[in-house]
Amino acid sequence: DVKVTQSSRYLVKRTGEKVFLECVQDMDHENMFWYRQDPGLGLRLIYFSYDVKMKEKGDIPEGYSVSREKKERFSLILESASTNQTSMYLCATRQYNQPQHFGDGTRLSIL
Amino acid sequence: GENVEQHPSTLSVQEGDSAVIKCTYSDSASNYFPWYKQELGKRPQLIIDIRSNVGEKKDQRIAVTLNKTAKHFSLHITETQPEDSAVYFCAASWNTNAGKSTFGDGTTLTVKP
Repeated sequence: DVKVTQSSRYLVKRTGEKVFLECVQDMDHENMFWYRQDPGLGLRLIYFSYDVKMKEKGDIPEGYSVSREKKERFSLILESASTNQTSMYLCATRQYNQPQHFGDGTRLSIL
Repeated sequence: GENVEQHPSTLSVQEGDSAVIKCTYSDSASNYFPWYKQELGKRPQLIIDIRSNVGEKKDQRIAVTLNKTAKHFSLHITETQPEDSAVYFCAASWNTNAGKSTFGDGTTLTVKP
């Protein structure tokens, strides 16, 4: 079965901190994604990657960066956390034109 | 880029009734249309999908229809049960866009016993 693991279910950080959210997949999928989910706003794409060291901006990349040094790991970085980045963050993977597989999500609170 | 609109945003039905959720997309190159169900506190999971060479697909109580000309697709749930209560997302994607999908904003379905 497909497994997408996000490093934390809940995380509390302070304004201005640098925050790392980690996602690891075990399916050898090419594509990986980071979304944030807020009530009434659906799933908004932050960044995605279609290969190691390759990344593309999604719809809301401001304030975020990503890293994909290995195929199985995709990291989301909040360079200087702000309160408006309090949200649920979902990682997903995908192989070619197949369904996406999501992790359990990280609920991030910025105080 | 692709734009996906989903309606309604909330839907309440009585147990046993049918529920229909509709999505429209803008990019005629899109050729893959999955539907995801997200129960409270859980991850979105695929429940059914359809590709552009098919007009309808059914899996027990759920079905999806696709109208390529009108660029819309719909999720149909028959004989709804309380455990169908969840948020449902539609999505659209095409082969060459590095695997990227565009999601609708979601529909919160409530099935009243």
